[in-house]
Amino acid sequence: EPEVTQTPSHQVTQMGQEVILRCVPISNHLYFYWYRQILGQKVEFLVSFYNNEISEKSEIFDDQFSVERPDGSNFTLKIRSTKLEDSAMYFCASRGNSRGYTFGSGTRLTVV
Amino acid sequence: AQTVTQSQPEMSVQEAETVTLSCTYDTSESDYYLFWYKQPPSRQMILVIRQEAYKQQNATENRFSVNFQKAAKSFSLKISDSQLGDAAMYFCAYRSARSGNTPLVFGKGTRLSVIA
Repeated sequence: EPEVTQTPSHQVTQMGQEVILRCVPISNHLYFYWYRQILGQKVEFLVSFYNNEISEKSEIFDDQFSVERPDGSNFTLKIRSTKLEDSAMYFCASRGNSRGYTFGSGTRLTVV
Repeated sequence: AQTVTQSQPEMSVQEAETVTLSCTYDTSESDYYLFWYKQPPSRQMILVIRQEAYKQQNATENRFSVNFQKAAKSFSLKISDSQLGDAAMYFCAYRSARSGNTPLVFGKGTRLSVIA
């Protein structure tokens, strides 16, 4: 069964550093998403991406965040200057024309 | 904005018994989708079951079924013949059908323990 692949599985970074979280969505999917889950809390929507542009974003997705699909396969989330409160599990998801989302296994980001 | 409420932070069930997890949501829309996701300790989000709001028939996937009450905006998940592998965090989620790219809105989750 096709999978959404996220790398790395765990990243530790110094506060103020830039991080890039990578995702390879399912190849024939059209819609891409990033969600985050702070430990013990609910899953929150960050941004959706369709047709090579952001289609919707939440209040969390401020100027420190950006997304790209540089080569038609990878889908990246960049945090320019990490803060302690960015520590969370980040999930990538993709969706085709059906109504189901497929989530990746997540990247645990720890900002120290 | 839509909201999803899961009023049970934790539930437990004996192995082989049945358990029902509650979910209510608030929306002014008439066309939407509802989902239950399972998150085991590995933290991956796994789709358990989904329901289209325009369908009156409750969705069923093997031991998992839902009780969808559109007028009451309720979407509970029933797990029959519970197994140890069902122990996980369960999230209820809503997605508007107004466009193809609307995001999922999640509840806070219910942690299910299965007792051997």
